[in-house]
Amino acid sequence: DSGVTQTPKHLITATGQRVTLRCSPRSGDLSVYWYQQSLDQGLQFLIHYYNGEERAKGNILERFSAQQFPDLHSELNLSSLELGDSALYFCASSLEGQSKEKLFFGSGTQLSVL
Amino acid sequence: GQNIDQPTEMTATEGAIVQINCTYQTSGFNGLFWYQQHAGEAPTFLSYNVLDGLEEKGRFSSFLSRSKGYSYLLLKELQMKDSASYLCAVKGWSGAGSYQLTFGKGTKLSVIP
Repeated sequence: DSGVTQTPKHLITATGQRVTLRCSPRSGDLSVYWYQQSLDQGLQFLIHYYNGEERAKGNILERFSAQQFPDLHSELNLSSLELGDSALYFCASSLEGQSKEKLFFGSGTQLSVL
Repeated sequence: GQNIDQPTEMTATEGAIVQINCTYQTSGFNGLFWYQQHAGEAPTFLSYNVLDGLEEKGRFSSFLSRSKGYSYLLLKELQMKDSASYLCAVKGWSGAGSYQLTFGKGTKLSVIP
């Protein structure tokens, strides 16, 4: 158990809908990262938050947004969903977001858009 | 941008040694990680290299050559439970004012009896 909690584990929805994925980092970790993993693309970095502030942005679509709350949990919002958004979404956390820090991953949310 | 290449699949025999290679191109290199991911599960940390050379940790070792943009993960005394995907990840300058950890597509290792 990495200590990172993601809910829900599975999500099935329809095209055009909006969903929210939730992540609670390990106790004491200030940094939260979101990754998308699809079969053909591997793990794609979406966004990084540190202590409530956006630190870095990767290949995140404009239809996607995220935030980190004062209690350090984070939410990833996906809107106007398309079939291609079906993927496994991972959240990871680290203490401060320093280069040498390893990431601890949650068990992921499997999103299926039908 | 960053580019990471590693073989898509490898097969090795239980008890043997296997080397998984990773080549990368990045600006502002700031470390290389290896993660293990079993099917349907979360990636877990294996190793971290930021200086040239070999880092050994039990049955797993990782090597880095920054001048060649090259790393490998060495797995000794292979066990069936080592069947998994091995992800090479590079920390580099994103060009947007921050460092970013970029993952390769992973090498799926199958260990056979």
